[in-house]
Amino acid sequence: TQLLEQSPQFLSIQEGENLTVYCNSSSVFSSLQWYRQEPGEGPVLLVTVVTGGEVKKLKRLTFQFGDARKDSSLHITAAQPGDTGLYLCAGAEQAGTALIFGKGTTLSVSS
Amino acid sequence: DTGVSQNPRHKITKRGQNVTFRCDPISEHNRLYWYRQTLGQGPEFLTYFQNEAQLEKSRLLSDRFSAERPKGSFSTLEIQRTEQGDSAMYLCASSDRGYAGELFFGEGSRLTVL
Repeated sequence: TQLLEQSPQFLSIQEGENLTVYCNSSSVFSSLQWYRQEPGEGPVLLVTVVTGGEVKKLKRLTFQFGDARKDSSLHITAAQPGDTGLYLCAGAEQAGTALIFGKGTTLSVSS
Repeated sequence: DTGVSQNPRHKITKRGQNVTFRCDPISEHNRLYWYRQTLGQGPEFLTYFQNEAQLEKSRLLSDRFSAERPKGSFSTLEIQRTEQGDSAMYLCASSDRGYAGELFFGEGSRLTVL
């Protein structure tokens, strides 16, 4: 059974700090996605990574897919209160199988 | 805007009653997914459809849960003989492709079983 473990589960930081969120598995994934969810809304896609070692940047967010395609990280530079939310990684072991989500990292950024 | 629409948004029911949720996906999307989410946790996969065919169903889904997608358009998720442990947010998502495709989520249907 594929399992995605995210750490830390909770993160509370001050505006301007940097942070990294991790997503790990013992399984190899054909692709990994990162979503962000705000209270009362559904998750919204941030990025998809498909190649081992791939690095993608989205403004202050940097996503990395591990060389072995078993893990991923999300780094946020100079966090802002608007970054507050639940960050979820999700992956599919094979093309055509359902997307499985990790339990998420709840981020709180205070000004 | 024709995003994913879910109804009802909130449902409060007594234990033992049946409930049904409806999801209208983005019209050109052939894949439709149901997830369940409890507070502060990630979405838990329940089942998904490609067009009208139910391709995968979680082992966590008891026989009290059933989902349909007649004609490959909207979908319904029915829970029979509800239990307090069924209280959760039920999320629907759709996608236009399977591999590395973005899931577009609705705002969810929140179920409270008393």
